[in-house]
Amino acid sequence: AQKVTQAQTEISVVEKEDVTLDCVYETRDTTYYLFWYKQPPSGELVFLIRRNSFDEQNEISGRYSWNFQKSTSSFNFTITASQVVDSAVYFCALSEGRNAGNMLTFGGGTRLMVKP
Amino acid sequence: EPEVTQTPSHQVTQMGQEVILRCVPISNHLYFYWYRQILGQKVEFLVSFYNNEISEKSEIFDDQFSVERPDGSNFTLKIRSTKLEDSAMYFCAEKGGLGGYTFGSGTRLTVV
Repeated sequence: AQKVTQAQTEISVVEKEDVTLDCVYETRDTTYYLFWYKQPPSGELVFLIRRNSFDEQNEISGRYSWNFQKSTSSFNFTITASQVVDSAVYFCALSEGRNAGNMLTFGGGTRLMVKP
Repeated sequence: EPEVTQTPSHQVTQMGQEVILRCVPISNHLYFYWYRQILGQKVEFLVSFYNNEISEKSEIFDDQFSVERPDGSNFTLKIRSTKLEDSAMYFCAEKGGLGGYTFGSGTRLTVV
């Protein structure tokens, strides 16, 4: 069975600080996909990144970066120089297996509050 | 980027009433999903739908829930007899050919 754990329920930082959101996953499959979604106060789910289990390269997109480590089953997300607009709930999610239609299992989310 | 449209954005219903939540998918996608999020909690999978039938469902998706794609376009979630604990945000999602999941903006259901 698949499981995603986001141990940090809430993080508060001051603007311009760097912040890392942790994500640990469990799966028995060797093929899987990991995702991060942002949920701003307006409620929608905004896709940030998708990573497959065979690609352990870290990725950077502007102020966002992701560190995927299979050895520790982690897929952490770092925001550099945080801004107030980054305030949201962030969800890590896992999709298991080779089947194209497999559902997403979400972690419990981390609420990030960036104060001016 | 194409959007997944959900209607209504907010629905208030009385306990015991039937509700139908609608999703207008992106036309060339194959897999459709419903998820729900009780206020302040995580997003939970309800059901996946492929080729006009259910391919997978969770324990939450009991007999009071049903899904269909009646006219080949809209994708609906019906809750037959709503309960207070059905109050949540319901998200429709689709999976495209490149493996990305696109979520609709959600329907907030309030059962009173």
